[in-house]
Amino acid sequence: SQKIEQNSEALNIQEGKTATLTCNYTNYSPAYLQWYRQDPGRGPVFLLLIRENEKEKRKERLKVTFDTTLKQSLFHITASQPADSATYLCALDNYNTDKLIFGTGTRLQVFP
Amino acid sequence: SQTIHQWPATLVQPVGSPLSLECTVEGTSNPNLYWYRQAAGRGLQLLFYSIGIDQISSEVPQNLSASRPQDRQFILSSKKLLLSDSGFYLCAWNQAGLTYEQYFGPGTRLTVT
Repeated sequence: SQKIEQNSEALNIQEGKTATLTCNYTNYSPAYLQWYRQDPGRGPVFLLLIRENEKEKRKERLKVTFDTTLKQSLFHITASQPADSATYLCALDNYNTDKLIFGTGTRLQVFP
Repeated sequence: SQTIHQWPATLVQPVGSPLSLECTVEGTSNPNLYWYRQAAGRGLQLLFYSIGIDQISSEVPQNLSASRPQDRQFILSSKKLLLSDSGFYLCAWNQAGLTYEQYFGPGTRLTVT
């Protein structure tokens, strides 16, 4: 069955550093991959989408890479700020449908 | 612009009581609508998916049901709640055939006691 893995341990980094979060998947070939941010008690907020034929996508301080050979996506936040502290979820399309399969998320804590 | 509403924000219900959660979307037409549940420490689990009025697919067998009486209204229901129904319920939408990203509502925190 399809499986998405994100590091369940929290990632703690110092303000100004680059945060790198990992999303690995197995038994699947997604057409696209998405990253969302979720704050405690709130719904997820869409950040970036990257397609299978794209290697990298950027948006302001965010960068996503997608390696379909390694079956892995990396999510980078450069010049991280305490306001970036949140849980970050990756999601894959479910066999090229509108439905998504979500990972369990990685909590990022940026301290001053 | 589009907005999505969910209510209530929080709910405490006894085991065996009924449930009705409502979700409405404004500013768009014919959206895909989704109900998810997020249990503590776990990922988002897709419960129901709808591509149109009265067109709903159930993703997992469970104690819940969903209805879509109007184009932009999605309702999650149960006749008798179980303890295991506790969780954070999220409604989401996207535009069929145009966008793959999903837009989530604020969620309902349900505690079954």
